[in-house]
Amino acid sequence: TQLLEQSPQFLSIQEGENLTVYCNSSSVFSSLQWYRQEPGEGPVLLVTVVTGGEVKKLKRLTFQFGDARKDSSLHITAAQPGDTGLYLCAGEGNTDKLIFGTGTRLQVFP
Amino acid sequence: KAGVTQTPRYLIKTRGQQVTLSCSPISGHRSVSWYQQTPGQGLQFLFEYFSETQRNKGNFPGRFSGRQFSNSRSEMNVSTLELGDSALYLCASSLGGGTTYNEQFFGPGTRLTVL
Repeated sequence: TQLLEQSPQFLSIQEGENLTVYCNSSSVFSSLQWYRQEPGEGPVLLVTVVTGGEVKKLKRLTFQFGDARKDSSLHITAAQPGDTGLYLCAGEGNTDKLIFGTGTRLQVFP
Repeated sequence: KAGVTQTPRYLIKTRGQQVTLSCSPISGHRSVSWYQQTPGQGLQFLFEYFSETQRNKGNFPGRFSGRQFSNSRSEMNVSTLELGDSALYLCASSLGGGTTYNEQFFGPGTRLTVL
């Protein structure tokens, strides 16, 4: 069974701080996606990474896929209250199903 | 382009009843997936339909079933409801057909409460 563990589970920071969320597995994924979910809504796709070592930037968000395609990280620079939400990584494994991570709940205070 | 819509948004049922949830995908998307989200288990895959056929299935009991119509709209049914079925049920659509990295576009979900 392919699993994706995210850390930390909860993160509470002040506006302007930097943070990193990790997504780890012992399995290899052909691609990995990051989503953000706000209360009362469904997850929204932020980015897809497909190549080992790939780095993608989305404004203040930087996503990295591990060289072995088993892990990924999301780094947010100068966090803002609008970044508050549940961050989910999701890997496409050997069964073509998306496996979602355990989630990281981020709260950014003004 | 209109997003994924789900109806109803909220539902309250009692144990033993059954429920049907509906999902309309983004126009042109042929794949519809269903997920269950709970605080304890996170987001878990229920099943995926593509061109009216179930293409993938998660590890849920047979009380959970679904179908997809020719216009790609999908319904999910849960029979003999249990307290543990209380959750947010999310529908997601994607282009499918092996053309993308299975990128999912989610609806707002149906919040099901079983009393």
